[in-house]
Amino acid sequence: QKEVEQDPGPLSVPEGAIVSLNCTYSNSAFQYFMWYRQYSRKGPELLMYTYSSGNKEDGRFTAQVDKSSKYISLFIRDSQPSDSATYLCAFALTGANSKLTFGKGITLSVRP
Amino acid sequence: NAGVTQTPKFRILKIGQSMTLQCAQDMNHNYMYWYRQDPGMGLKLIYYSVGAGITDKGEVPNGYNVSRSTTEDFPLRLELAAPSQTSVYFCASSYGLGNEQFFGPGTRLTVL
Repeated sequence: QKEVEQDPGPLSVPEGAIVSLNCTYSNSAFQYFMWYRQYSRKGPELLMYTYSSGNKEDGRFTAQVDKSSKYISLFIRDSQPSDSATYLCAFALTGANSKLTFGKGITLSVRP
Repeated sequence: NAGVTQTPKFRILKIGQSMTLQCAQDMNHNYMYWYRQDPGMGLKLIYYSVGAGITDKGEVPNGYNVSRSTTEDFPLRLELAAPSQTSVYFCASSYGLGNEQFFGPGTRLTVL
């Protein structure tokens, strides 16, 4: 079983749609859950960061973590063409040797 | 602040050539990382450093070397370039392991 699995995509939606992006993980020791957004030919940038189970909202974006089922989701409301990018989930343990483990990323295209 | 900078942006190498990818950050971060990103494969950690003089291998270190003589700089050395090293290379830095990582714009390397 892979440590992190992310829907492969690509995903194309019309402007204004609600988008749901998902990742599952197998390592129950992961404590930090992140979503990075990467525009074409750019480096990734942190979009959402959460530590605990539950929902975290930031504008049109909501990050959801379910530790018991080992999955995380990113919801985008009222999607815009500017949301077109690759979205990568990322996970981290706690402790001195905690590095990020990334999903493979899913490419989202929002059609005007 | 310039954040994380990388040079060069693009490079074409012949098989067997060597080169150094430069990375610098001006955020006084102790932690720095090198990733490679291949299409559909997410980010793979090559090497990381927790401070000047301290480096450690990541997931895919073979064929690469790093050094960290200052807090600001973290160059990646490719010896005897091979076609399998064709990729986009990202440097990143963070305040601590597991914290938000700030990425540079990337170096696109082709080995022919």
